[in-house]
Amino acid sequence: AQRVTQPEKLLSVFKGAPVELKCNYSYSGSPELFWYVQYSRQRLQLLLRHISRESIKGFTADLNKGETSFHLKKPFAQEEDSAMYYCALSVPGAGNMLTFGGGTRLMVKP
Amino acid sequence: KAGVTQTPRYLIKTRGQQVTLSCSPISGHRSVSWYQQTPGQGLQFLFEYFSETQRNKGNFPGRFSGRQFSNSRSEMNVSTLELGDSALYLCASSSNGNTIYFGEGSWLTVV
Repeated sequence: AQRVTQPEKLLSVFKGAPVELKCNYSYSGSPELFWYVQYSRQRLQLLLRHISRESIKGFTADLNKGETSFHLKKPFAQEEDSAMYYCALSVPGAGNMLTFGGGTRLMVKP
Repeated sequence: KAGVTQTPRYLIKTRGQQVTLSCSPISGHRSVSWYQQTPGQGLQFLFEYFSETQRNKGNFPGRFSGRQFSNSRSEMNVSTLELGDSALYLCASSSNGNTIYFGEGSWLTVV
């Protein structure tokens, strides 16, 4: 069965510092990887997905199949980036079923 | 367009009772999924419905069930409630293969 691990429950950085939220997964095939974000009092929303290779709000993530990782990065953190971040994956043939990591709370201090 | 709508937003039930939660997907979306979110277990997939058929099912006991109607609206039911069922229940909808959109959730407290 597939699994997603986010080793850090809390990540605290200062404004303007680089940010990297780690995500590792286990799955023998070729999954699709996502990052979801939940701002305070808002619903869970898609931040980015690896197949689109987009940069959203300055965030990027690269799928490393060798290390089975999909870390989320941003060169300069902003206070409005403070939120809960979830890494998730879906596998072929499983419809829209997502397997989520435990989440990382990012706090950006002024 | 309107987002995924879930009702009720908050409810309190007693152990042993049953509860039904409702979800209205985004117009045109035929896939509806349900997730349970708790502090201890995080976000866990319950089941997915597509065109009124259950397409995937997570690892939850049979007390958790769901259905989807011809208009794509979905309900989930939990029977014989236990204290551990207290959680945020999230509904998500998608047009197949595309972005999954989440609702705000239904907060269930079992006392």
